[in-house]
Amino acid sequence: NAGVMQNPRHLVRRRGQEARLRCSPMKGHSHVYWYRQLPEEGLKFMVYLQKENIIDESGMPKERFSAEFPKEGPSILRIQQVVRGDSAAYFCASSPQKGTNTGELFFGEGSRLTVL
Amino acid sequence: AQTVTQSQPEMSVQEAETVTLSCTYDTSESDYYLFWYKQPPSRQMILVIRQEAYKQQNATENRFSVNFQKAAKSFSLKISDSQLGDAAMYFCAYRYYGGSQGNLIFGKGTKLSVKP
Repeated sequence: NAGVMQNPRHLVRRRGQEARLRCSPMKGHSHVYWYRQLPEEGLKFMVYLQKENIIDESGMPKERFSAEFPKEGPSILRIQQVVRGDSAAYFCASSPQKGTNTGELFFGEGSRLTVL
Repeated sequence: AQTVTQSQPEMSVQEAETVTLSCTYDTSESDYYLFWYKQPPSRQMILVIRQEAYKQQNATENRFSVNFQKAAKSFSLKISDSQLGDAAMYFCAYRYYGGSQGNLIFGKGTKLSVKP
């Protein structure tokens, strides 16, 4: 499957636990974006990364949330000490380098986090 | 800051009829893309249609077309010959494409129902 791969698709955590969501971009894509979708709402930008660099994290909550995109391996969105308000669908998207793309972001199927 | 507004939370159309979904946006930039994404109950984000701001000609993709009014900052989606499979959430999105790649900014969405 050459698409954006996210796992797990569903994750259940109790309050106070940690959640780790993974995203492997499409082959050849070097830009990764994370979005959060609350029930009945649109997608909200969280963070934009390139390999080993955070380019824009203006949408990330100041505490408990972090993201990385290491040189090797998938991008990871980490949520520490989860609270019920973190329950949402988290989408990852990728794009190739500027100048070689059509502006489109390619989305994964999302990871649904439920906090009990 | 750029914003995207979808003023119709819900719309309904009869099968085989035509429906238009509205979208307005606010930006001071001149280089950008506009998109319509579809999100069916499976939650997968599917690109419907794309418009480059520098192009005056309205984009079309089979039964889907847009009315892009750059001066008015309006970007509506027309779905012709509506089908049951068109029922979904539709999100309008903006992406700046100037000096560096920007993230996608989404509207809150319009829920489209198709009546048989």
